[in-house]
Amino acid sequence: GAVVSQHPSRVICKSGTSVKIECRSLDFQATTMFWYRQFPKQSLMLMATSNEGSKATYEQGVEKDKFLINHASLTLSTLTVTSAHPEDSSFYICSARDGGLEAFFGQGTRLTVV
Amino acid sequence: AQKITQTQPGMFVQEKEAVTLDCTYDTSDQSYGLFWYKQPSSGEMIFLIYQGSYDEQNATEGRYSLNFQKARKSANLVISASQLGDSAMYFCAMRERSYNTDKLIFGTGTRLQVFP
Repeated sequence: GAVVSQHPSRVICKSGTSVKIECRSLDFQATTMFWYRQFPKQSLMLMATSNEGSKATYEQGVEKDKFLINHASLTLSTLTVTSAHPEDSSFYICSARDGGLEAFFGQGTRLTVV
Repeated sequence: AQKITQTQPGMFVQEKEAVTLDCTYDTSDQSYGLFWYKQPSSGEMIFLIYQGSYDEQNATEGRYSLNFQKARKSANLVISASQLGDSAMYFCAMRERSYNTDKLIFGTGTRLQVFP
């Protein structure tokens, strides 16, 4: 299957700082990328959908100014958590679709805000 | 609105036995797709199997098969000959498509534990 690389896999940051997470499709062009958040022992909650070259579509309740999503190219999308707080600590995972049926997932990023 | 329900928070199965993980869904769409993913403790989401609403036969992928009962709106995952490495979280998901959206909606998951 297609490969999606997410980086970093783990990050610890201080409260009030920003952290950027990258999601790259390595062997296909991702027309659409998705960002999910997963709390411990819970399901994946979709945060936003991004299409290359256009603004991301955020799900209800997701602060777009706090979770900045950029999908500048067909192989890269970034999620920036701005002014992070401890409650932003979570597992963030991206997925990418090439216009076909299946969405391919990255390895996820475990964010800890201290 | 579409909804995915997984009623089993946890399941136990002995190695080499078969296990069924339940998934029911609710949709008014005529065309839809159902997915199962495995999430081991490392966190990555591993695609297992897909069933389209118009597929006449139940999907199979190796030891995984999908028991698709359209009238009952259920898409249960059957894992045959369980292995210790099958221990993980399993999520059922449905593709939700509309004029302005195309996304996967996940159920709450089932934690499967395979014991020797």
